[in-house]
Amino acid sequence: AQTVTQSQPEMSVQEAETVTLSCTYDTSESDYYLFWYKQPPSRQMILVIRQEAYKQQNATENRFSVNFQKAAKSFSLKISDSQLGDAAMYFCAYRSFTGNQFYFGTGTSLTVIP
Amino acid sequence: DAGVTQSPTHLIKTRGQQVTLRCSPKSGHDTVSWYQQALGQGPQFIFQYYEEEERQRGNFPDRFSGHQFPNYSSELNVNALLLGDSALYLCASRGSGQPFYEQYFGPGTRLTVT
Repeated sequence: AQTVTQSQPEMSVQEAETVTLSCTYDTSESDYYLFWYKQPPSRQMILVIRQEAYKQQNATENRFSVNFQKAAKSFSLKISDSQLGDAAMYFCAYRSFTGNQFYFGTGTSLTVIP
Repeated sequence: DAGVTQSPTHLIKTRGQQVTLRCSPKSGHDTVSWYQQALGQGPQFIFQYYEEEERQRGNFPDRFSGHQFPNYSSELNVNALLLGDSALYLCASRGSGQPFYEQYFGPGTRLTVT
């Protein structure tokens, strides 16, 4: 089974600064998808960004970007110009190309300091 | 559009009892997935329903069962509750004609087993 590891239980960043959240995964598949989800205190999971493994170009969504290193099985999330509203739990997730199941990491709690 | 709704928001049950959780998908969505999120953990996939059939199942015992109704709403049933079943239960929905990553999560039901 695929595993997703987030080694940073907690992170903090000053408002307007940049922070990077780490994620590694283990898979024997060559085609798959990776995601970062945000879970604010309201508990509702929100998709932040996704990356298709067959794409070499790193995904970007406004202030959020990823560093996808397929050979190293690493998928980090960079948040630029951090805002107070970015404070939340962030989960890295994996989905195989053909399956319906998402595999989530244990999450990183991000605090934004005003 | 109400989005994905779940009921109840919280509930407390006693070990050995049975519980039913409910999920109403976002308007236009016909596929429903259920996840269990234990405290301090990422969500774990329980199963997915489409066209009133269980399409895929995660590594959960048979005590966990589900149902999908013709209006696409879904129920998660857990029998013979254990203390370890205490968790946040998330429902996610998407439209079968839409990209799979466009799944929307509900706010969850917090189940406490005493």
